Amino acid sequence: QVQLQESGPGLVKPSQTLSLTCAVSGGSISSGTYSWTWSRQPPGKRLEWIGYMYCSGSTYYNPSLESRTSISLDTSTNLFSLKLTSVTAADTAVYYCARGGCDYPQKWGQGTLVTVSS
Amino acid sequence: ETTLTQSPAFMSATPGDKVNISCKASQHIDHDISWYQQRPGEGAILIIQEATTLVPGTPPRFSGSGYGTDFTLTITNIESEDAAYYFCLQHDNFPYTFGQGTKLEIK
Repeated sequence: QVQLQESGPGLVKPSQTLSLTCAVSGGSISSGTYSWTWSRQPPGKRLEWIGYMYCSGSTYYNPSLESRTSISLDTSTNLFSLKLTSVTAADTAVYYCARGGCDYPQKWGQGTLVTVSS
Repeated sequence: ETTLTQSPAFMSATPGDKVNISCKASQHIDHDISWYQQRPGEGAILIIQEATTLVPGTPPRFSGSGYGTDFTLTITNIESEDAAYYFCLQHDNFPYTFGQGTKLEIK
């Protein structure tokens, strides 16, 4: 059964780049039959979809974050990654990775809290 | 962007109860909605896809209904293990969007 685990720095300074990875176990990320999604939930707010890599390898991002976001897969390490540049306090959130069928997530990681503060 | 209005934000139930969680979309989204369950300390899992289809492995006491703009997740004969956070996701148009979530407490 596939398991996903997010990891990365819990604290990032304003204006820096937030980098997170999602370790996938119990399945290969190179199969080409899954989508790989990043979402986040700021404290006290609803979940926000950041973007995903579709089955074909194309990426789709939330327009509100697109200029600062990059999602990629590393098949050699079975990791998929999120980079968010020029962060501010508004980017403080629990970040989640998820694997799904081509259209929507099916299994999520537990999430990792990232705080943006100097 | 499609806004999903999910209610209630919190509910408390007794084992054996039936509960309904609503998700209303700001525009027509066909049947392009999914429901997720997140137990404390665990990652969320998909329990209902395409508004009404039970995901294999989901207990049959869970069901989904609705089409277009109004959707409902129903849990009948609630059990203690159903205590969790439930949320909906629309995947009809980009950006995908979520409901506010519902925390279900079992007394």
